Amino acid sequence: DVKVTQSSRYLVKRTGEKVFLECVQDMDHENMFWYRQDPGLGLRLIYFSYDVKMKEKGDIPEGYSVSREKKERFSLILESASTNQTSMYLCASSLSGLGETQYFGPGTRLLVL
Amino acid sequence: AQSVTQPDIHITVSEGASLELRCNYSYGATPYLFWYVQSPGQGLQLLLKYFSGDTLVQGIKGFEAEFKRSQSSFNLRKPSVHWSDAAEYFCAVLSGYALNFGKGTSLLVTP
Repeated sequence: DVKVTQSSRYLVKRTGEKVFLECVQDMDHENMFWYRQDPGLGLRLIYFSYDVKMKEKGDIPEGYSVSREKKERFSLILESASTNQTSMYLCASSLSGLGETQYFGPGTRLLVL
Repeated sequence: AQSVTQPDIHITVSEGASLELRCNYSYGATPYLFWYVQSPGQGLQLLLKYFSGDTLVQGIKGFEAEFKRSQSSFNLRKPSVHWSDAAEYFCAVLSGYALNFGKGTSLLVTP
């Protein structure tokens, strides 16, 4: 069974703090993704990675960066958190083939005060 | 870019009634389409997906979806809804490596 875990379910941070969200998958998947979910907006892609140290910007990368030093781990970094980054963050992973199923973690609900 | 639209933000059905959730896609060629479900406080779970072949796709939990090219639609159906089906449902289309999601339809099931 594929398992995608995220380091925190809930997180409260202050404006200006550097925030790290960690995601780990245990199925040797090549692709990993970070989405942001907001009410009425659905899920929007922030960044994805198709291999170690490789990354591509998604639809809303501003204010975020990512790191993938190992295949199983994909980190989302908020360099200087702002209140408009309060959201639910979902990580996903998939094999590299076209149309492969994306498996999602449980999400991290981040509140920036 | 490929996109999907879910016209219904909220839908309420009685337990035991049939269900149809609408999804329209925008893409010239045959799209890769998905339906995901998100139960409260949970991540997303894949219900079913369509790439090619038979236009009626069977998924988990008794769900099915039908791809209709003439209507640019990929509607999700279930013949008899259970209270545990109350959740948010997302239609998505493959766009490059990633998925473009609709804004979701929230399903409420009444006794």
